[in-house]
Amino acid sequence: GENVEQHPSTLSVQEGDSAVIKCTYSDSASNYFPWYKQELGKRPQLIIDIRSNVGEKKDQRIAVTLNKTAKHFSLHITETQPEDSAVYFCARGQNFVFGPGTRLSVLP
Amino acid sequence: GAGVSQSPSNKVTEKGKDVELRCDPISGHTALYWYRQSLGQGLEFLIYFQGNSAPDKSGLPSDRFSAERTGGSVSTLTIQRTQQEDSAVYLCASSLAPGLAPETQYFGPGTRLLVL
Repeated sequence: GENVEQHPSTLSVQEGDSAVIKCTYSDSASNYFPWYKQELGKRPQLIIDIRSNVGEKKDQRIAVTLNKTAKHFSLHITETQPEDSAVYFCARGQNFVFGPGTRLSVLP
Repeated sequence: GAGVSQSPSNKVTEKGKDVELRCDPISGHTALYWYRQSLGQGLEFLIYFQGNSAPDKSGLPSDRFSAERTGGSVSTLTIQRTQQEDSAVYLCASSLAPGLAPETQYFGPGTRLLVL
């Protein structure tokens, strides 16, 4: 089907540690994969995205990796900070099917 | 420029009443999406408009839900005979045409609907 699976559903890390969230999809036609961050009570906002013609993209402490063969992509946050605490959603293009979200808590 | 705006920001209604939620997309964005987010849950796709094409209504949960987009800009989501399970935040997003980079979806602040 078109579902996007996302793991883990919740993640707690100590400040300064790294966090990794993984999503898998089934539609091989997908070629655009964004990640959104939603802080409590706020709207989702794009933090990073990747297109299928590259395997990795990095923006400061955030990176996304894509494995098209295995149909999975991951969000990596390094040197986590308390303000990284939020719910993170992956999505795939073509009608933007979203994963169920990962609640990240960064403990000071 | 201005971002996506939605109105009202909050709506409290009684079970059985109809409600209309409005979305003003970013100027020039031809794609418009409606999502529903229940408390602590993910984003549930409802409907998608792209230019003058027929909308993708595959996510509408029942025939009580409908949406239109007049003039290719403003969209209205209508829920008829509201039920308590309709209570959620309704998010609107807009983007450039699919396949036209960047494909970023920009979300509005949402309308928080409470059905008593």
